[in-house]
Amino acid sequence: EDQVTQSPEALRLQEGESSSLNCSYTVSGLRGLFWYRQDPGKGPEFLFTLYSAGEEKEKERLKATLTKKESFLHITAPKPEDSATYLCAVDPATGNQFYFGTGTSLTVIP
Amino acid sequence: EAGVAQSPRYKIIEKRQSVAFWCNPISGHATLYWYQQILGQGPKLLIQFQNNGVVDDSQLPKDRFSAERLKGVDSTLKIQPAKLEDSAVYLCASSPSGARTQYFGPGTRLLVL
Repeated sequence: EDQVTQSPEALRLQEGESSSLNCSYTVSGLRGLFWYRQDPGKGPEFLFTLYSAGEEKEKERLKATLTKKESFLHITAPKPEDSATYLCAVDPATGNQFYFGTGTSLTVIP
Repeated sequence: EAGVAQSPRYKIIEKRQSVAFWCNPISGHATLYWYQQILGQGPKLLIQFQNNGVVDDSQLPKDRFSAERLKGVDSTLKIQPAKLEDSAVYLCASSPSGARTQYFGPGTRLLVL
């Protein structure tokens, strides 16, 4: 059965304190792995797509990496405006569904 | 470029009432998705359209939920009758033909009392 697990559920960081969020997955073939940011009361906002193990993508203070079993979202020197829930979604090689994790709620304290 | 539009943004109804949500995707996007997001969970796909045809509705509770995309552009999702457990955010997303990246609207927050 296809599964996506995100950890930790919640993370509190001081401003400038770097950390990583984890997304582990079990699917029978991966077409792509997506990271989204979701602010309270809003829809998910697309951040990155990763397609193959070893791939990395960067945007400002965020860097996403992918292995055969998991993806990491590294946050370098976070700012309070990075506070949000970060969702990962897996697009299996077969079928139409994305499988979303339950998200990591990030709070960055000034 | 305008994003995905949804209305209404909020809706409160009594159980057993009906409700409808509207979505207008990004211009030119052939694929449209409806998701249900229960508080504290990730979005779960309800139905996927390619132009005006249904691609996947395997997770749609068809006894009470229906959706249509008559002209291959905007779409309506209906719940009739609503149950307490339908309280959730209903998200619409779209993607260009041949692409898998989905772009989401702001969602409609439904509370069933």
